[in-house]
Amino acid sequence: AQSVTQLGSHVSVSEGALVLLRCNYSSSVPPYLFWYVQYPNQGLQLLLKYTSAATLVKGINGFEAEFKKSETSFHLTKPSAHMSDAAEYFCAVSDQTGANNLFFGTGTRLTVIP
Amino acid sequence: EAGVAQSPRYKIIEKRQSVAFWCNPISGHATLYWYQQILGQGPKLLIQFQNNGVVDDSQLPKDRFSAERLKGVDSTLKIQPAKLEDSAVYLCASSLPTGSTEAFFGQGTRLTVV
Repeated sequence: AQSVTQLGSHVSVSEGALVLLRCNYSSSVPPYLFWYVQYPNQGLQLLLKYTSAATLVKGINGFEAEFKKSETSFHLTKPSAHMSDAAEYFCAVSDQTGANNLFFGTGTRLTVIP
Repeated sequence: EAGVAQSPRYKIIEKRQSVAFWCNPISGHATLYWYQQILGQGPKLLIQFQNNGVVDDSQLPKDRFSAERLKGVDSTLKIQPAKLEDSAVYLCASSLPTGSTEAFFGQGTRLTVV
């Protein structure tokens, strides 16, 4: 069974400050891990993904995430928040069997304060 | 490259009525998913198709929900009869049929049951 826990349903940061969105996963098999972003009234867009290559993954819009197996974590970071980063962020996990079914967390709404 | 197309974008129906949603995946994507996203929650998989066969429908409320993917391309999701708790955004996604690849999401259909 696989699941994802996102700590903090709402996160507020000042423009230019560090963004840290937390994600912990549970998986009985080696996981694939994903971060998606959702803007209002839009579908989900992939930010980045971990697929068992490099543990530090760089994505679009300056975001990156580090896979830490010992901590079962895959936290999303960005050094300097921009107003356009305000959105809902979802962490998701799937297994490596090829089934490709994504299990999503409950999401974290990021607010950027000018 | 055209993305995943969904229609309609919005739908309001009364409880006990029926409704259908349509999805056209990205060309060449054999895998198609329907997700239900209730307000404040992460998307939850309803059904996964590989070509025109069902891979996983364990979370689909089969007494009222049905889905088909005739000819392995477009898909239709139907609810009959609708309940108040079916109010949600229904997201369609498609991907290539390997575990590490990205799922591309449509903009979703927002259903309100009154």
